[in-house]
Amino acid sequence: QSVLTQPPSVSAAPGQKVTISCSGSSSNIGNNYVSWYQQLPGTAPKLLIYDNNKRPSGIPDRFSGSKSGTSATLGITGLQTGDEADYYCGTWDSSLSAEVFGGGTKLTVL
Amino acid sequence: QVQLQESGPGLVKPSQTLSLTCTVSGGSISSGGYYWSWIRQHPGKGLEWIGYIYYSGSTYYNPSLKSRVTISVDTSKNQFSLKLSSVTAADTAVYYCARRRGLGHNWFDPWGQGTLVTVSS
Repeated sequence: QSVLTQPPSVSAAPGQKVTISCSGSSSNIGNNYVSWYQQLPGTAPKLLIYDNNKRPSGIPDRFSGSKSGTSATLGITGLQTGDEADYYCGTWDSSLSAEVFGGGTKLTVL
Repeated sequence: QVQLQESGPGLVKPSQTLSLTCTVSGGSISSGGYYWSWIRQHPGKGLEWIGYIYYSGSTYYNPSLKSRVTISVDTSKNQFSLKLSSVTAADTAVYYCARRRGLGHNWFDPWGQGTLVTVSS
């Protein structure tokens, strides 16, 4: 049972847009930065979004992040088959004194 | 750019100690502002933070694993290490090392490629 709640799976057609939610509480998302990671099959996670809505160099602007209250959202536009991956949100939990991650969302591009 | 590479045994017997090392290249562990981290992923499951260390030696551990975890740093070799004692089959996982930004931020980048550790007799 993950501290952060993500939908197990989402799907959309190529070229479409999808959003992935990450729900937490005031002890984690509500008072800390959120980051997002993309894990392509058989590879290590890769930083996609940091500090709620910033993109590292090299990450296309098709990927966006936002945060409101105790929830965060990852948005992906112009879906490509290469975007099929597991996506994880992460943050610090002040009550647990631990880094926490969501359970992951599997994106299928139909 | 900074790169991380895990190394260590892929098979550990139950009740023994799992030991892994992460070698950092392209940057210095001693540069400050970052925490050097271990994260694991059970087969087919999500990510679990194990802990991290600052170059000064300050450590932070996941409370659920704290009693069995030791993370150390060797700045002369630009390496940091993980020891997990009294392992069981439940510790079978892919272990990643990663750099975590400090100074009020909390993102992990980059990550090592990961190493699968199987606990079995």
